[in-house]
Formats: sequence, C-alpha cells, structure tokens
Amino acid sequence: SQKIEQNSEALNIQEGKTATLTCNYTNYSPAYLQWYRQDPGRGPVFLLLIRENEKEKRKERLKVTFDTTLKQSLFHITASQPADSATYLCALNAKGNKLVFGAGTILRVKS
Amino acid sequence: GAVVSQHPSWVICKSGTSVKIECRSLDFQATTMFWYRQFPKQSLMLMATSNEGSKATYEQGVEKDKFLINHASLTLSTLTVTSAHPEDSSFYICSNEGRSGRGSTDTQYFGPGTRLTVL
Repeated sequence: SQKIEQNSEALNIQEGKTATLTCNYTNYSPAYLQWYRQDPGRGPVFLLLIRENEKEKRKERLKVTFDTTLKQSLFHITASQPADSATYLCALNAKGNKLVFGAGTILRVKS
Repeated sequence: GAVVSQHPSWVICKSGTSVKIECRSLDFQATTMFWYRQFPKQSLMLMATSNEGSKATYEQGVEKDKFLINHASLTLSTLTVTSAHPEDSSFYICSNEGRSGRGSTDTQYFGPGTRLTVL
C-alpha cells in the first residue's frame, strides 16, 4: 500500500541547533516533493519544492534533500529559532498530479 | 505566493443544518481549486477538486451529495456541507494551484482554513 511517513513524535531541540525532519514514502514515484509549515488552526504555508532530478535545495536557513533510491526526503532548519516551532508537512504528487500529505512532525524549539 | 482567503474562519452549527464555506483566490484567477479536510493530528485529506465552470471531481469515499462544491467564477469556490452531523466536525481547507507565473506551477497555496463544529 502507499504510505507517507513522518516522525509522529515531536522533535524538541535547543535554539541555535539544526533541526532535521524525515519523510519516507512507499509505493510512490513522485516527480517532486514539497515541504509545508502549518501553525495551529491555520492552513499550510509552502516552503520548498524539490524535483526528482535534484539532490538538494536550499532557501535561507532551510535545506531539503531528496533521495529517490531511499525514497526519503530530509528537511533541515539551521540555526533554529523558537519562531520555527510549528508542524512541518511533507507532500508529494501522486497520480493525477494530486498532492498527498504526510501527517506532519511537530517541531519545538526551546530558548 | 498566491493569496487565498476563506470565510468563515470558524462556524458552530446544529446537527441537520447546512453550512457554506467560501474560498476566494484574491490575486489571480484559479481555474482549479482543491478542498481538503483535516482531523486533529492527522494529515490533510483531499476531498475534491473544484473546476471552474464544470462539476467537481470527488475523491473515493467522499459523498458528492453531502459535500456540494460550486466553482462559478475564477476567484470563488464554495463548499456546502449539507445536513451536517457531529462526525463532519473538522478543519476544512481550500487551496489553489500556483499558476501566477511567480513560482512553480506545482505549488499549492492554501487558505487559512475553516473550523466546523457540529453540535
């Protein structure tokens, strides 16, 4: 069966450290994968998109990797700040170009 | 990115009543919009794809007669939850595709969501 898995347990880190979140998928062959941020009671906000032929993408303090062999994407936030605390969702395109989302990982950055 | 608004942001209704949620694409014309539902601590689940000027496409397991979608203009799609029941209580979110030319056409821009509580 098709699955998208993100760490269900919250990730707690200290301010200034690098946060690394994982997204694994099974039985999908996505052309691209996206990461979104969602704050409580709000809609998701797009952060980064990485295509299947790209290994890594960066935007300011954010970095995403995409390994189609391992079927895994890693999302890094360097020099993390308390304001980075949120739920981070990965999403990939499925048949019909629809977006399929993981359940998200809660990140808590403590000062 | 594109700006999407939703109205209302929250609504409480009695069981058996109908509720309409509006989704507006504020800065460009969206021929396609998407409606999602999210239960607490779960992922967004696509309910339907709303196409301007034609019938919506519903995902498997979503009752089209219960969740009525109307996409009458390029800037407005509405979702009506008919005869709502407590199990319909959820967070409903719409999105449009990023075809503004400013970014990837594969990106979706989401509205702020509507919290529906059915008593």
